[in-house]
Parts: sequence; structure tokens; C-alpha cells
Amino acid sequence: AQTVTQSQPEMSVQEAETVTLSCTYDTSESDYYLFWYKQPPSRQMILVIRQEAYKQQNATENRFSVNFQKAAKSFSLKISDSQLGDAAMYFCAYRRQGGSEKLVFGKGTKLTVNP
Amino acid sequence: KAGVTQTPRYLIKTRGQQVTLSCSPISGHRSVSWYQQTPGQGLQFLFEYFSETQRNKGNFPGRFSGRQFSNSRSEMNVSTLELGDSALYLCASSLGGDNQPQHFGDGTRLSIL
Repeated sequence: AQTVTQSQPEMSVQEAETVTLSCTYDTSESDYYLFWYKQPPSRQMILVIRQEAYKQQNATENRFSVNFQKAAKSFSLKISDSQLGDAAMYFCAYRRQGGSEKLVFGKGTKLTVNP
Repeated sequence: KAGVTQTPRYLIKTRGQQVTLSCSPISGHRSVSWYQQTPGQGLQFLFEYFSETQRNKGNFPGRFSGRQFSNSRSEMNVSTLELGDSALYLCASSLGGDNQPQHFGDGTRLSIL
């Protein structure tokens, strides 16, 4: 069974600074997808960024980028120029390729942004 | 385009009762998945429907069931409620297929007294 581990229950960053959230996963599959989701207090889970395992190039979405290390099964999220609105729970998630859309989530990292 | 709509937003029940939660996906989306979120267990997959067929099921007791209608709307039912069923229940929809992102609703907060 696939597992996702987020080793940092809480992180904090100063506004305008950069922060990196860690995620490792375990799978025997070779083709899969990895995601970072953000959940603010409003509860809605929002997709931040997605990475296809077959792509060597790291995904980037504006201030958000990932460091995908397939051999190490590591998938960290870097947030640059942090903003107050980035404060939220961040979840790393895994989904195998083909068939089911089931997401396996990590326990989450609570990010605080200090003004 | 309207997002994923979950109703009700909040629900309070007592032990032994049953409850039905509703999820209306984004228009055109045919895949609906359900997740349970608790502080202790985190986010756990319940089940997934595509074109009215259950495609996958998580490791939950038979008290948890679901269905999907021809208009892609989905319901989940929990019978004989237990205190441990208190959770945020999230629904996600997508067009279906590997390269399609899932969009989540705001969830239903279920509290069992």
C-alpha cells in the first residue's frame, strides 16, 4: 500500500521569505502523480501544484515550485515570497496512474506566515 | 462555473441515527470521490464513483455506503452512527481520467452527540 509522510507538523515563515515543506512517499509503482493541496480555515481543499512521475522537470506554478526526487521518493514544496494568504494546512498527496482517482494524503503541515 | 457543492454544511446527530450527505459535482464532471477528515486519522478515502458505478472503496465498515445518480450527483449514507464518525466529509469531482485534476467542495461537518 502506498503511504505519504509529512514530517513537519508545523512550519512558520516571515512574510516575503521562502519556505520549504517536506514530503516523502512509498510506492512500488513507477507511474503515478503527486500533488500539493492547500486547506485554509475555510475548509476547501485547493490544488496548489501537480507533478507527473514520468516528468523529470520539476513543476512550477507562480510562487510555488516542487523538488521531485523520484529515486529518493521525495516531493518537497517551495513557497517563494510568502504572503499572509499562504497560511493554511498543506497536504501532500499521491495517486497512482490508471483507473482509480483515489488520493493518499499525508497528515499535513500547518504553515503560519508572520507579518 | 459553479464549484462542487456539498449539503448540508453542518449536521448534528446522535449515536445510532443515520445520515445522508449530498455532493453536486461541477457541471460535466462524471467522477466523484468522498473522503473523511479527522484530526487523528487525517484524510482517508471512502469511495469513488464514475458514471454511477463504484470504482473503488476505502477501508471503512459497511455502515458507510454511497451512490451516484445519472446526473453525477452523489450521496453518501452512514447508518448506526458512532461517536467516531464525527468528522469533516469532503467530496471531490473531476472529468475522470488520469490527467484530470480533482476539485473539492467545502465539506460537511458532521458532529455526533
